[in-house]
Amino acid sequence: EDQVTQSPEALRLQEGESSSLNCSYTVSGLRGLFWYRQDPGKGPEFLFTLYSAGEEKEKERLKATLTKKESFLHITAPKPEDSATYLCAGTTSGTYKYIFGTGTRLKVLA
Amino acid sequence: NAGVTQTPKFQVLKTGQSMTLQCAQDMNHEYMSWYRQDPGMGLRLIHYSVGAGITDQGEVPNGYNVSRSTTEDFPLRLLSAAPSQTSVYFCASSDRPDGNEQFFGPGTRLTVL
Repeated sequence: EDQVTQSPEALRLQEGESSSLNCSYTVSGLRGLFWYRQDPGKGPEFLFTLYSAGEEKEKERLKATLTKKESFLHITAPKPEDSATYLCAGTTSGTYKYIFGTGTRLKVLA
Repeated sequence: NAGVTQTPKFQVLKTGQSMTLQCAQDMNHEYMSWYRQDPGMGLRLIHYSVGAGITDQGEVPNGYNVSRSTTEDFPLRLLSAAPSQTSVYFCASSDRPDGNEQFFGPGTRLTVL
């Protein structure tokens, strides 16, 4: 069964304390691996798409990487405004279904 | 562009009532989908559509109906609401169904008493 698992469930960081969020997947024929940010009471907002192992993408303090089994979202020197839930999702070739993980709730303290 | 819009934002129903959650997008996207989000469960796919007139079931379709008569609109119908359908519902769209990012609406918070 295709599955996406995220860890940790929750993470508290001090401002400036870098860390990584993990997304492991067992998705046959992965077509794309997606990262979203979700603020309370709002819909998810797209961050990155990764298509092949070894690919990396960056945006401000965030960098997403992909291996054959997992993806990492690295947060460098986070700020309180980076506090949110980060969601990971995968799609498979030949289907039109996105499979989401349960998310990591990140809290960055000033 | 308004992007993806959803109405209503909040709704309270009694068990057995029916209602339609509205979703519209103005980006000419072919792919649209409905998710529900429950605490600890993440986003679960209810139904999706790869174009006007084409719909299919996702992971949790029971109790929900959809249709897609136009590219812009993708309503979700609850025929007989149950307390288990209390959730936050998100609609999303994408220009490609097989691997592009989705754009999400702001969500509808539904409570079934």
